Amino acid sequence: NAGVMQNPRHLVRRRGQEARLRCSPMKGHSHVYWYRQLPEEGLKFMVYLQKENIIDESGMPKERFSAEFPKEGPSILRIQQVVRGDSAAYFCASSPNEARNSPLHFGNGTRLTVT
Amino acid sequence: TQLLEQSPQFLSIQEGENLTVYCNSSSVFSSLQWYRQEPGEGPVLLVTVVTGGEVKKLKRLTFQFGDARKDSSLHITAAQPGDTGLYLCAGLLQGGGADGLTFGKGTHLIIQP
Repeated sequence: NAGVMQNPRHLVRRRGQEARLRCSPMKGHSHVYWYRQLPEEGLKFMVYLQKENIIDESGMPKERFSAEFPKEGPSILRIQQVVRGDSAAYFCASSPNEARNSPLHFGNGTRLTVT
Repeated sequence: TQLLEQSPQFLSIQEGENLTVYCNSSSVFSSLQWYRQEPGEGPVLLVTVVTGGEVKKLKRLTFQFGDARKDSSLHITAAQPGDTGLYLCAGLLQGGGADGLTFGKGTHLIIQP
């Protein structure tokens, strides 16, 4: 199955630790999006990346959160000094091109729990 | 402020019944997509509608994009237990905005056998 792969599926961190979430896009896809899902809020756009470039990070908190998509390897969403409010499901999606209405292929998410 | 309002939030019906769920906004969208999400999994794309008034059918599912491209509906005929899931609408705002899709909160649909 060459779908979008996210790992880990579940991640538990204590307050103040760092969380690193990984996403390997579908084969042939060079555009990656990160979304956060909370039960009360639905899916919220965080950041859009292409290889080695952040295209739009308007949905990402200015502090503690960062994302990268290196030339080689998976995209990484990094959350430093996690707080309880960071607990959520984080989904990565990929698309084959930059068309804004290009269909997104989602991974099965990483469920982050901050204790 | 929620740009895309979905209704109803929850719907539980018997197998074989018909249903319609709605996705409404005061903003114009250049395109709108419907996804279905099951517990523990990511959303899966069902359809993309682009043209105002467009109707698309996917087996027992009928999707319609409003003439003004501000709203959409999903109608399911003869619902089956396999249709159970969270149905999400998502759109791209006309004329710019973030590159990411704007999602509604979804309709939780349960089809009882």
